[in-house]
Amino acid sequence: EPEVTQTPSHQVTQMGQEVILRCVPISNHLYFYWYRQILGQKVEFLVSFYNNEISEKSEIFDDQFSVERPDGSNFTLKIRSTKLEDSAMYFCASTRGGITGELFFGEGSRLTVL
Amino acid sequence: AQKVTQAQTEISVVEKEDVTLDCVYETRDTTYYLFWYKQPPSGELVFLIRRNSFDEQNEISGRYSWNFQKSTSSFNFTITASQVVDSAVYFCALSETLSSGSARQLTFGSGTQLTVLP
Repeated sequence: EPEVTQTPSHQVTQMGQEVILRCVPISNHLYFYWYRQILGQKVEFLVSFYNNEISEKSEIFDDQFSVERPDGSNFTLKIRSTKLEDSAMYFCASTRGGITGELFFGEGSRLTVL
Repeated sequence: AQKVTQAQTEISVVEKEDVTLDCVYETRDTTYYLFWYKQPPSGELVFLIRRNSFDEQNEISGRYSWNFQKSTSSFNFTITASQVVDSAVYFCALSETLSSGSARQLTFGSGTQLTVLP
């Protein structure tokens, strides 16, 4: 069964460092998303991506965040200069789209900023 | 703005008991989707069900059942004869059409931690 895969599963970084989280969405999917879950809290929308550009982004997704689909298969989230409060589980998701599209989530990448 | 409320933060039951997890939502859309996800201790999000706003039929899948009531904006989830493996955080979520019209986002509730004791 096709699935969304994310790497790394866990990354520890120093505050101020750049981090890139990688996702491989399901191959025939058209819409891609990043969500974030701070430990013990709800899952929050960060950004959606369609047709090689950002469709929507939340208030959380400020200038230190960027997304890219560099090669037609990977979908990356870059945090330019990490802060302590960026420590969270980051989930990638994809869907074929349309109003009936089910969102498929990856297993998440846990980011710990020290 | 859309909102999902899961008033129950934590629930503990003994194995084989039935348990209902509550979910209340707010939206201005006439077309929307409601979801339940399970998050086991390992951390991944496991899709359980999607229900659209035009289908108020209750659904049963094995020990799981869902009660969608548009009149009260609720989408409650019942586990019958609970098992220890059901222990997890359960999230209710609402999907609306984004302003761009080309994609949807999920608004999650804060989750209910279910602990099933042996």
